[in-house]
Amino acid sequence: DAGITQSPRHKVTETGTPVTLRCHQTENHRYMYWYRQDPGHGLRLIHYSYGVKDTDKGEVSDGYSVSRSKTEDFLLTLESATSSQTSVYFCAISGTADQPQHFGDGTRLSIL
Amino acid sequence: QKEVEQDPGPLSVPEGAIVSLNCTYSNSAFQYFMWYRQYSRKGPELLMYTYSSGNKEDGRFTAQVDKSSKYISLFIRDSQPSDSATYLCAMSAGLTGGGNKLTFGTGTQLKVEL
Repeated sequence: DAGITQSPRHKVTETGTPVTLRCHQTENHRYMYWYRQDPGHGLRLIHYSYGVKDTDKGEVSDGYSVSRSKTEDFLLTLESATSSQTSVYFCAISGTADQPQHFGDGTRLSIL
Repeated sequence: QKEVEQDPGPLSVPEGAIVSLNCTYSNSAFQYFMWYRQYSRKGPELLMYTYSSGNKEDGRFTAQVDKSSKYISLFIRDSQPSDSATYLCAMSAGLTGGGNKLTFGTGTQLKVEL
């Protein structure tokens, strides 16, 4: 298994609170991605990183920000959580852009 | 209309059957094609990864890509109860901007019955 750890694995929080999810990898891979998975939509890309301090937006980036200060850690922040951000969040990594992405086991986030 | 279409199922087959899973897509720029398997409350696990058109075989799994028809398939031979999971197709145009952005189907739920 790819060395990917997502934390927390589960979180329940209230609307309007800030939330930060962490993805930690031990593979020294350059590329890291955040996806969300919702019924009827599949997995959708939120943000991605192609190196330390290099990030860009994906398909559904509104309301999310990311940071990558070290190769091994990629943080996803919901500045002011809304109920529409209730979802399962997955982190993925790849060594090069054309290598396949490998996924962590996700964070289940509920916003009440 | 979604860029990638996948029948959600559920698909129920007897043990030992050959399973055929399919996706269609509309973006002719897609050139990398993947199949992932996802068990309940787990992350997607890569099964097959192909570039451009053609077939690829790995054990009981065969992936086919027909770019002219914008159609990809995954075949599972001698299906087992342990194959019961949701199967996701994914595809990308390769490196665009700074990364390789995958577009996923919504997944097909498969159940293999004893």
